[in-house]
Amino acid sequence: DVKVTQSSRYLVKRTGEKVFLECVQDMDHENMFWYRQDPGLGLRLIYFSYDVKMKEKGDIPEGYSVSREKKERFSLILESASTNQTSMYLCASSSGQGARNQPQHFGDGTRLSIL
Amino acid sequence: DAKTTQPPSMDCAEGRAANLPCNHSTISGNEYVYWYRQIHSQGPQYIIHGLKNNETNEMASLIITEDRKSSTLILPHATLRDTAVYYCIVRVAGTYKYIFGTGTRLKVLA
Repeated sequence: DVKVTQSSRYLVKRTGEKVFLECVQDMDHENMFWYRQDPGLGLRLIYFSYDVKMKEKGDIPEGYSVSREKKERFSLILESASTNQTSMYLCASSSGQGARNQPQHFGDGTRLSIL
Repeated sequence: DAKTTQPPSMDCAEGRAANLPCNHSTISGNEYVYWYRQIHSQGPQYIIHGLKNNETNEMASLIITEDRKSSTLILPHATLRDTAVYYCIVRVAGTYKYIFGTGTRLKVLA
């Protein structure tokens, strides 16, 4: 079974702090994704990566950056946390083998509160 | 981008088949349909996906109409643990982008 592990289930930080969310997958997947999920807005893609050191912006990249130094690990960074970044953050991974139809597999999420 | 439309909620008796419909009338020829479910406070769980043929796995069956404008997810023998929000998703062709809608909240009743 695919395992996507997010480092924290719950996190509380203060405005202005630099926040790191970590995600690790154990299936040797090429692609990794960061989403945020908010009531009424569904899941929105922040960034994704299709290879080590490669990244592409999703729909809402402002205020975020990412890092992928190793294939199995994808980090989301909130450069200077703000209250409007309070949300559920979800990491996902998928195989890059063959066509892009391989499904994404999600972690259990990090519920981040910015005070 | 192809959008999906699902009923907001459904009930199903335990042990009966749960049939969850999805409309995706603007889907293009090479776009896949994916189904996920999300149980409260967990991440979305992949269930099944397909292009044009019907698909079955250990969790569910996916029936796609011949014109591909709609599909149905079938949970053959629903249990209380199947209570969740079910999302029907179309992946934007040529990208990794999923478009999540608001899903169907399925409640399995004892």
